[in-house]
Amino acid sequence: SYVLTQPPSVSVAPGKTARITCEGNNVGSLSVHWYQHQPGQAPVLVMSFDSDRPSEIPERISGSNSGNTATLTISGVEAGDEADYYCQVWDRSSDQVVFGGGTKLTVL
Amino acid sequence: EVQLVESGGGLVQPGRSLRLSCAVFEFTFADYALTWVRQAPGKGLEWVGFVRNKRSGGTTEYGASVKGRFTISRDDSKGIAYLRMSSLKIEDTAVYYCARFRQLSGTFLLDYWGRGTLVTVSS
Repeated sequence: SYVLTQPPSVSVAPGKTARITCEGNNVGSLSVHWYQHQPGQAPVLVMSFDSDRPSEIPERISGSNSGNTATLTISGVEAGDEADYYCQVWDRSSDQVVFGGGTKLTVL
Repeated sequence: EVQLVESGGGLVQPGRSLRLSCAVFEFTFADYALTWVRQAPGKGLEWVGFVRNKRSGGTTEYGASVKGRFTISRDDSKGIAYLRMSSLKIEDTAVYYCARFRQLSGTFLLDYWGRGTLVTVSS
């Protein structure tokens, strides 16, 4: 089955840029979606189709996907961005949703 | 505002069954697929399965760890989806989330989620 690999943690100072990666075999040929999950809250879709941002998500959050790596970039990081972030693809060969293991973003 | 609300969680003994519900609000449930995702304590998100809308056949797909034990169904007239969990194991302990499941351009994404309901499997 298809596997997505994320770093367990990323730390960044306020105002700096955080980059969260999601690696998979030729993931650039798939559409990657990203979710933000804060403790006790419902997960929120923050990026779809690699780089399409829902209207309610701030412009400082962006996405890209090429080759074997998809990336979620958060510019001007704020304390409120602290959360777990998950990438996700649809594996059409097996009709399965695949999540990455998640990355905990810590704002220093 | 689109909302999904899970209910039915609680403490259950290993080997027993439990049924979770997911009530949806402010969208036409019949037009969408519905999926379940869980998160065990200290772990990441794990996909459980989904049910297609009736127009797509209303069929279901499941993750490997629950296939044959869990069943997803839907009642479009009530706007409720169900997750029937049987032969529960301690490792099924998790917060269970339901989410609206959209098919677009050959992929699926989860565009609205509920807050989850906790299931604890313990003797």
